[in-house]
Amino acid sequence: DAGVTQSPTHLIKTRGQHVTLRCSPISGHKSVSWYQQVLGQGPQFIFQYYEKEERGRGNFPDRFSARQFPNYSSELNVNALLLGDSALYLCASSLTGTEQYFGPGTRLTVT
Amino acid sequence: AQSVTQLDSQVPVFEEAPVELRCNYSSSVSVYLFWYVQYPNQGLQLLLKYLSGSTLVESINGFEAEFNKSQTSFHLRKPSVHISDTAEYFCAVGTENQGGKLIFGQGTELSVKP
Repeated sequence: DAGVTQSPTHLIKTRGQHVTLRCSPISGHKSVSWYQQVLGQGPQFIFQYYEKEERGRGNFPDRFSARQFPNYSSELNVNALLLGDSALYLCASSLTGTEQYFGPGTRLTVT
Repeated sequence: AQSVTQLDSQVPVFEEAPVELRCNYSSSVSVYLFWYVQYPNQGLQLLLKYLSGSTLVESINGFEAEFNKSQTSFHLRKPSVHISDTAEYFCAVGTENQGGKLIFGQGTELSVKP
C-alpha cells in the first residue's frame, strides 16, 4: 500500500503570494492532519480533519486554512505569505485520529 | 495543556554502545505517547507508540520505550546502536480531547560514530 503522499516536494514563493499544498492519505484513512516544522524545531500542529469536518485547529493565523475532500485528500492554503512561513509542511494520515503516519513533507521557501 | 520536554538536544554515541533518549511530558489527563524518527530531508516515521496496556513497548529494529506515569516519562532506549540509527528523534504526546493534536518535543539528534 502507498503511504501518505504530498505535493509538491519543494516550492519557492514570494512574500505576499498564496500557496496550496496537497496531501493524499493512506488508503482507508479518514483523518488528515497538517503540521509546520521550522528548521531545528519539532512539528507544530495546524489542523486536523476527520470525515471532512475540522476536528482541531492549532495556534496559527487565519491566513492558514484547509479542507478535506470526499476522497479524504486534503489541501492546506496559506495566504499573504511571510518570510516566517518558510518551513517543512507535513501531512499526517490516521484511521482514528490518534496514531498518525506522516508523509515526506513539502519544503516551502518564501523569499 | 500538554507539553513535552526532550532533555538532550544532541546525543553522540559510539557504534554498538547503548543509548537512552529522554522524554518527559506534562498533562492533567490521560495521554498517548509516541516516538518518531526523522532522517535528513525526510518526513517523520512512527517508531513506537503507547496507547494503553503494557507500559513497555518495542519496535522491530531494537528500540524500546517505557511509559512511567509516576515520573511522567517515556524514555527511548536501545542496547546497541548502529550507524544507520543516526537521525533526529521526536517524542510526541496526544490526548483524547485534543482533536487529534500531537504536541512534539524539540527533538534529539542522535549521532552514532564508528
